[in-house]
Amino acid sequence: GENVEQHPSTLSVQEGDSAVIKCTYSDSASNYFPWYKQELGKRPQLIIDIRSNVGEKKDQRIAVTLNKTAKHFSLHITETQPEDSAVYFCAASMWVDSNYQLIWGAGTKLIIKP
Amino acid sequence: KAGVTQTPRYLIKTRGQQVTLSCSPISGHRSVSWYQQTPGQGLQFLFEYFSETQRNKGNFPGRFSGRQFSNSRSEMNVSTLELGDSALYLCASSGGQPANYGYTFGSGTRLTVV
Repeated sequence: GENVEQHPSTLSVQEGDSAVIKCTYSDSASNYFPWYKQELGKRPQLIIDIRSNVGEKKDQRIAVTLNKTAKHFSLHITETQPEDSAVYFCAASMWVDSNYQLIWGAGTKLIIKP
Repeated sequence: KAGVTQTPRYLIKTRGQQVTLSCSPISGHRSVSWYQQTPGQGLQFLFEYFSETQRNKGNFPGRFSGRQFSNSRSEMNVSTLELGDSALYLCASSGGQPANYGYTFGSGTRLTVV
């Protein structure tokens, strides 16, 4: 079936280092790929998104890259800070049983070590 | 402008009871979706309503139902509660097709079934 695989499930990095989270999707027709950040006890919030006509998008310390051929997209966080500690979810737009919807990855818990 | 508002924030119910959760979307947003989030689990899609009609539905039993009113406010109902229904229920609104524009999430209703 249609799905989104997200890796790793847990990522621990030293403060100041970079973090990369990767998602793979199954539908070559997917055209919208958002990333959400959920801090402990809070709501998921959109941090960056990318559409299929763009290969890369940056917003300060975060960036998303998209490889349509390989059907994967990645979140890059540079110069990590303690406030980056959270669970990150990726998603991809897909047709599932004639319904057009966002399919979610399982999430990555990012831990920033001081 | 006001965000997505969910009430109540916390609920404790007994097995077998039924519960109704409420969500007010961002003003102007006509799409409202509901998600279930359990500890260690990702975002499980329940259903989406648009203009008072259910547009998408996830793989949940018929005990889970919802509706949307003409002012776009939405309610979710769970009947015959089971212990496994204990979760954070998130409401999310979108100004367009969620698979094209993503969501703004509410803070959620934490339901505990005892």
